[in-house]
Amino acid sequence: EIQLVESGGGLVQPGGSLRLSCAASGFTFSIYWMHWVRQAPGKGLVWVSRIYSDGSSTSYADSVKGRFTISRDNAKNTLYLQMNSLRAEDTAVYYCARDLMAVTGTEDFDYWGQGTLVTVSS
Amino acid sequence: DIQMTQSPSSLSASVGDRVTITCRASQSISSYLSWYQQKPGKAPKLLIYAASSLQSGVPSRFSGSGSGTDFTLTISSLQPEDFATYYCQQSYSALGLTFGGGSKVEI
Repeated sequence: EIQLVESGGGLVQPGGSLRLSCAASGFTFSIYWMHWVRQAPGKGLVWVSRIYSDGSSTSYADSVKGRFTISRDNAKNTLYLQMNSLRAEDTAVYYCARDLMAVTGTEDFDYWGQGTLVTVSS
Repeated sequence: DIQMTQSPSSLSASVGDRVTITCRASQSISSYLSWYQQKPGKAPKLLIYAASSLQSGVPSRFSGSGSGTDFTLTISSLQPEDFATYYCQQSYSALGLTFGGGSKVEI
């Protein structure tokens, strides 16, 4: 069974840092692009970041560029999101998601984790 | 950035109804368009990719069409479990992926 399990969310003060993890199982993690997508309370989905299967390339939404860093450890089947200089507007549920590029050649998300809530507040 | 505009933002329908949701891109995105269903408190679920390809395991009452800038998601006969919010997403731009604002379907 394919599973993505996020962890690391919580309450952090503005300006603080947090690192999210996403543990993958049930598939060959090392061949898939991976993403982070977030959803503020009561709002829509927002793409945050992408990383290639071998970690050679990363991309970010403008709203997090320079503050967030995506990375992966294929030996541990784990995806990460290091979040620095957090702002109130970063408050959201953060989902990790698997990319279909390796299967269909399209950049869509076929498996998602359950999400982890990040709250930025003093 | 490519902007994705969905309409309607919400709708009410009855079981058995045919429901259509539209998504418009701010520039041509070819067929790089997918649709997701999200129920309250749950992660999104992929329904359609490449504008019209049905994801494995998704009921055939869901279909997608369109190319360029205009796309539609159709539910041919609405079921009670289809109460959810639906999002479109473009993957044409390698610089960044964007979602539509969502369309809430109320039964």
